[in-house]
Amino acid sequence: EPEVTQTPSHQVTQMGQEVILRCVPISNHLYFYWYRQILGQKVEFLVSFYNNEISEKSEIFDDQFSVERPDGSNFTLKIRSTKLEDSAMYFCASSGGGALDTEAFFGQGTRLTVV
Amino acid sequence: AQKITQTQPGMFVQEKEAVTLDCTYDTSDPSYGLFWYKQPSSGEMIFLIYQGSYDQQNATEGRYSLNFQKARKSANLVISASQLGDSAMYFCAMREDNYGQNFVFGPGTRLSVLP
Repeated sequence: EPEVTQTPSHQVTQMGQEVILRCVPISNHLYFYWYRQILGQKVEFLVSFYNNEISEKSEIFDDQFSVERPDGSNFTLKIRSTKLEDSAMYFCASSGGGALDTEAFFGQGTRLTVV
Repeated sequence: AQKITQTQPGMFVQEKEAVTLDCTYDTSDPSYGLFWYKQPSSGEMIFLIYQGSYDQQNATEGRYSLNFQKARKSANLVISASQLGDSAMYFCAMREDNYGQNFVFGPGTRLSVLP
């Protein structure tokens, strides 16, 4: 079965440092997403990406965050200057189509710890 | 207003018995998809089952079935013959065609399977 792959699985960083979280979505998918889940809390939407541009972003996705699909396969989330409250599990997801598409898979997540 | 409601923060079930996890949703979009994901303690988000808004039959995937009651806007997950490995957090999620196809997650239900 195809899968979404995220690296690294766990990253520890100093507050104020930049981090890049990487994702390889399923190859023929068109919609890409980043979500985050602070420990023990709900899964929160960050940003969606379609047709090589951001299609929607949440209030959480401020100027400190950016996304890129640099080479047609990877999909990255960059946090420019990490804060303690950025500590969370970050999930990448991809889907082949719209809401009626049955294929929508999440990666295994990257656990980001900011110290 | 909450788009996805899961009223059971925690559920217990005896091994080998069936259990129903509740999910109600709120949308005015005629085209939407409903998903259930399992999140074990290791943190990854595992896709279980999908139901499209136009599907006439309830979705089934092995021991998982979705009790889809469109008029009531409910999409309950039924797990038959529970196993110890089913102990996890379970999330109901929705994608709407007219709202960016983003996933909206419920708060989750923690299922504990007792031996």
